[in-house]
Amino acid sequence: EVQLVESGGGLVQPGGSLRLSCAASGFTFSSHWMGWVRQAPGKGLDWVASIKRDGSEKYYVDSVKGRFTVSRDNAQKSLILHMNNLRAEDTAVYYCAKDGSWSYDSWGQGTLVTVSS
Amino acid sequence: QSALTQPPSASGSPGQSVTISCTGTSSDVGGYNYVSWYQQHPGKAPKLMIFEVTKRPSGVPDRFSGSKSGNTASLTVSGLQAEDEADYFCSSFANSKGWVFGGGTKLTVL
Repeated sequence: EVQLVESGGGLVQPGGSLRLSCAASGFTFSSHWMGWVRQAPGKGLDWVASIKRDGSEKYYVDSVKGRFTVSRDNAQKSLILHMNNLRAEDTAVYYCAKDGSWSYDSWGQGTLVTVSS
Repeated sequence: QSALTQPPSASGSPGQSVTISCTGTSSDVGGYNYVSWYQQHPGKAPKLMIFEVTKRPSGVPDRFSGSKSGNTASLTVSGLQAEDEADYFCSSFANSKGWVFGGGTKLTVL
């Protein structure tokens, strides 16, 4: 069974940093693209970033470029999202998601990031 | 403002069919057969219901079906059941923009 477990969320001040982690199990982690998708309270889903199987390609939504960095450790089966210079509009539940066939076929339970002073 | 446009709400009685639309542009929905649909119950993670416009993952009832015409994709839920009441989000590959989502449709089973 595929399992994705996020951690690292919390309350951070504007301009601060946070590191999110996603522990994967139940599938061959190194064979799949992975992504981060966020959902602001009461709002819709927004794609944040994607990373290729071997980490050689990374893509970001424009609003986080230069502030967020996605990485992965295939040996540890983990996905990481480094978030710097956080803004109030980054407040959301952040989901780790496994790429299937041009879609996200498995999702974690999410971790809440709150950016507020 | 979401990149893809969905109606905020839809409803139907048990046993009926309901269709939810998702309108984009030729740069996303109309340009690729990579439209997917997600179901989300309150407080839960999204669940993939349809991928590549028309395909169903294993375990998803065949009451759920997808289609696309031009820049508009659609999700049809036939034989509505109480457990289908949820939020539904469409998504499309958008090349240089990565993945775009719709704003979501709240489906109510009357």
